[in-house]
Amino acid sequence: EADIYQTPRYLVIGTGKKITLECSQTMGHDKMYWYQQDPGMELHLIHYSYGVNSTEKGDLSSESTVSRIRTEHFPLTLESARPSHTSQYLCASSEVAGGLGDTQYFGPGTRLTVL
Amino acid sequence: AQSVAQPEDQVNVAEGNPLTVKCTYSVSGNPYLFWYVQYPNRGLQFLLKYITGDNLVKGSYGFEAEFNKSQTSFHLKKPSALVSDSALYFCAVRADDDYKLSFGAGTTVTVRA
Repeated sequence: EADIYQTPRYLVIGTGKKITLECSQTMGHDKMYWYQQDPGMELHLIHYSYGVNSTEKGDLSSESTVSRIRTEHFPLTLESARPSHTSQYLCASSEVAGGLGDTQYFGPGTRLTVL
Repeated sequence: AQSVAQPEDQVNVAEGNPLTVKCTYSVSGNPYLFWYVQYPNRGLQFLLKYITGDNLVKGSYGFEAEFNKSQTSFHLKKPSALVSDSALYFCAVRADDDYKLSFGAGTTVTVRA
């Protein structure tokens, strides 16, 4: 198992609440990613970062925002949660391994339910 | 643009029988190919990857995959499946000039005792 952590693991909240999903890794990886996954379905990239102060939107449009102030920390924030945000959110990190390509390592995920 | 197709939503095999999970890809340039496994309520676990070199790649838990450039395929195989191999399997690809992965829709493997 890779050293990448996500909290909370499960979250049930009401519509309109502001939430932050935490993701931390202790591997010193410079690249980090957020994916959204409906249960048993494919993963969609919603945000990524190639280093501190670098963030980009992914392939799937998302109303969430991210920040990368420290290498090890890549939190995702929803300013006003809606039922359509109900999903599983997976965080991953990677580094280039000898210039031959990198492997993304995933955290355990946060399952979010918005009522 | 890059994409991955996993043509089978589900694969069912008996314990002890060979297991194959199919994957085909499309990418500009040289492909970097990955297989991940996901157990219920868990994140994805890395199984193996192909970057370059030998077309047969060996990974964790007895899994292997064969890269076939002419057929643009990267099928995952295990000679003798275990009940504990029952899970959701994802194939992923990226181009050699991009760090973003594109995932397939996943294949649910069920190994019956």
